[in-house]
Amino acid sequence: AQSVAQPEDQVNVAEGNPLTVKCTYSVSGNPYLFWYVQYPNRGLQFLLKYITGDNLVKGSYGFEAEFNKSQTSFHLKKPSALVSDSALYFCAVRDIGSNYQLIWGAGTKLIIKP
Amino acid sequence: EPEVTQTPSHQVTQMGQEVILRCVPISNHLYFYWYRQILGQKVEFLVSFYNNEISEKSEIFDDQFSVERPDGSNFTLKIRSTKLEDSAMYFCASSEAGAATPYEQYFGPGTRLTVT
Repeated sequence: AQSVAQPEDQVNVAEGNPLTVKCTYSVSGNPYLFWYVQYPNRGLQFLLKYITGDNLVKGSYGFEAEFNKSQTSFHLKKPSALVSDSALYFCAVRDIGSNYQLIWGAGTKLIIKP
Repeated sequence: EPEVTQTPSHQVTQMGQEVILRCVPISNHLYFYWYRQILGQKVEFLVSFYNNEISEKSEIFDDQFSVERPDGSNFTLKIRSTKLEDSAMYFCASSEAGAATPYEQYFGPGTRLTVT
C-alpha cells in the first residue's frame, strides 16, 4: 500500500538559515508527489509537485523540493528561512492505484526563530 | 486569485443529528473532493466527485455520508446521523482535472465539525 512518512514532528531553524523538511514515500510505480503548507486557521495551500522530469522542483514562496528515486525521498528545502515560513507542512503522494486521492504524511511543524 | 470557500467555518451538532457542509469549488474546476483531519491525526481522503457522480471513495465514506452538487457552484457533504467520532476538520478541494493529469488540488479553509 502507498504511504508517506514525515519523520520529524517539528523542525526548528534560525531565520536566514537553510531549512529542510523531510519526506519519504512508498509506492508501487512512479509517484506523483506534492507539498502543501497549512497556516493557522487556514486551508492547505499547494506549494509544489513532482510529476516527472527534473528532480529539483521549484515552487511557491522560494521553496523547492528534490526528488530522489533511489532513496524514495522528496525533501522540501529553502535556502534562507523567513519567520513567516513558520507553519505546518504536509507531504502527499497520489495513490497510484487511484486516479484521485492523495495519501498524506502526518505533517511537520516548522518553526523559524528570529 | 480564485479560491475554494467553505461554510460554515465551525459547526457544532448533537450526536444523531444531520449536518450539511458546504463548499464552493473554483469555478472552472471539474473534480471535487472531501478530506477530513481528526485532531492530531493525518489528513484522510473521503470521496472524489466528477461529472455528477462519485469517482472514488474511501472506507470512511460509508452509508452515513453523501455528496451532492445541487447546482452549478455548490458541492456539499452530508452526514446523516453524526457520531462523536465524526468530529474533525473537513476540507473540500477541487482540481482542473484528475485522472489523466495529476493537477494539484486546491483546498478550502475547512469546516470544523464538533459532535457533542
